[in-house]
Amino acid sequence: DIQLTQSPSFLSASVGDRVTITCRASQGISSYLAWYQQKPGKAPKLLIYAASTLQSGVPSRFSGSGSGTEFTLTISSLQPEDFATYYCQQGITFGQGTRLEIK
Amino acid sequence: EVQLVQSGAEVKKPGESLKISCKGSGYIFTSYWIGWVRQMPGKGLEWMGIIYPHDSDTRYSPSFQGQVTISADKSISTAYLQWISLKASDTAMYYCARGFLTGSNNWFDPWGQGTLVTVSS
Repeated sequence: DIQLTQSPSFLSASVGDRVTITCRASQGISSYLAWYQQKPGKAPKLLIYAASTLQSGVPSRFSGSGSGTEFTLTISSLQPEDFATYYCQQGITFGQGTRLEIK
Repeated sequence: EVQLVQSGAEVKKPGESLKISCKGSGYIFTSYWIGWVRQMPGKGLEWMGIIYPHDSDTRYSPSFQGQVTISADKSISTAYLQWISLKASDTAMYYCARGFLTGSNNWFDPWGQGTLVTVSS
């Protein structure tokens, strides 16, 4: 089974910061990766699919890149509404999540 | 607007059965997969399984195979997640989501609001 490892698991940052979250796969997965945002008490929301395709309606400050075994989600300038938990997904596997909190 | 509306919260006893639902609207229900995802209290997301309502093609994660049953009634645009005998460890939030499957690639959008299942004696 493919394992997905996100780093860091916890991230503290300030409004306006540029942040990057990494998702590493235990074996090559081409560009088959999605990213989600989940706020407390809410359902997850799709941000990016196929590693780098921004879902319609998602702000352009979110971007995804990578292929093979290493992928990144970047938020170019953090906004207050971006503080949440982020998950990567490939196939039947989700990463363990990265919790992004306000510094 | 594409929407998935799930049935309400449930409180059950160990050993009881349960079937929760997920009704799709705003799109052609039979043209997309519907997946189910578990989130235990304070934990991450777990992929349970997925069904294609057009022909009921169903795939399960090995972790959930035999533990739950996923089904769909395309006449009412509704998918289901069912347990025969609940355990306390089934206590979790369960989400349904519209699934996109292309080869080894899959993703979910949008998601239902979630159904909280509590199993306690």
